[in-house]
Amino acid sequence: DQQVKQNSPSLSVQEGRISILNCDYTNSMFDYFLWYKKYPAEGPTFLISISSIKDKNEDGRFTVFLNKSAKHLSLHIVPSQPGDSAVYFCAAQLGTSYGKLTFGQGTILTVHP
Amino acid sequence: DTAVSQTPKYLVTQMGNDKSIKCEQNLGHDTMYWYKQDSKKFLKIMFSYNNKELIINETVPNRFSPKSPDKAHLNLHINSLELGDSAVYFCASDAGQAGGPFQETQYFGPGTRLLVL
Repeated sequence: DQQVKQNSPSLSVQEGRISILNCDYTNSMFDYFLWYKKYPAEGPTFLISISSIKDKNEDGRFTVFLNKSAKHLSLHIVPSQPGDSAVYFCAAQLGTSYGKLTFGQGTILTVHP
Repeated sequence: DTAVSQTPKYLVTQMGNDKSIKCEQNLGHDTMYWYKQDSKKFLKIMFSYNNKELIINETVPNRFSPKSPDKAHLNLHINSLELGDSAVYFCASDAGQAGGPFQETQYFGPGTRLLVL
């Protein structure tokens, strides 16, 4: 039973355009959400997060949106750069289970020059 | 300087063997984790230790035994390896306290690619 899902295995965009990566979850008790980025042969690295009490968090070119009623979050990258090409993982956490992240299966983003 | 390191990076072994994967972090963190990335690419938590104490123990076969000799190290020993154990295993650490209210960023190692033949 996968509680966090990223239904798009891959996404391809042109440099300078917007990249939108999506994530859906089923457990309404999740109260913290994160995005991680992973390059080949490396471990995931933290990118941005959002608490369930917010609906938007922005950090430079990266913005995460949370729609609790739809149990959906998205990561927007504007403008996209070739160096953003990587696998992006969405993760969620219950407030009562500190540190126990539930990950999606990742979306491969390719940004073409 | 590597923050979270794992050895070996690659491990190819026969079914039935016993193997260990080592993890070390030099970030001064109190909490360490083991994750398994299966063939469907989901990263799933296996164990978590806080200052050498087991905090999270997911439904993992008891052939898997974590050991934390000190808070900077968390090793994973696997007995009687099976084909289904083939995966990428990631170690991670963070500065959090088990049960604490604050969210801390987890830092991941580069992964150990295990192939059981």
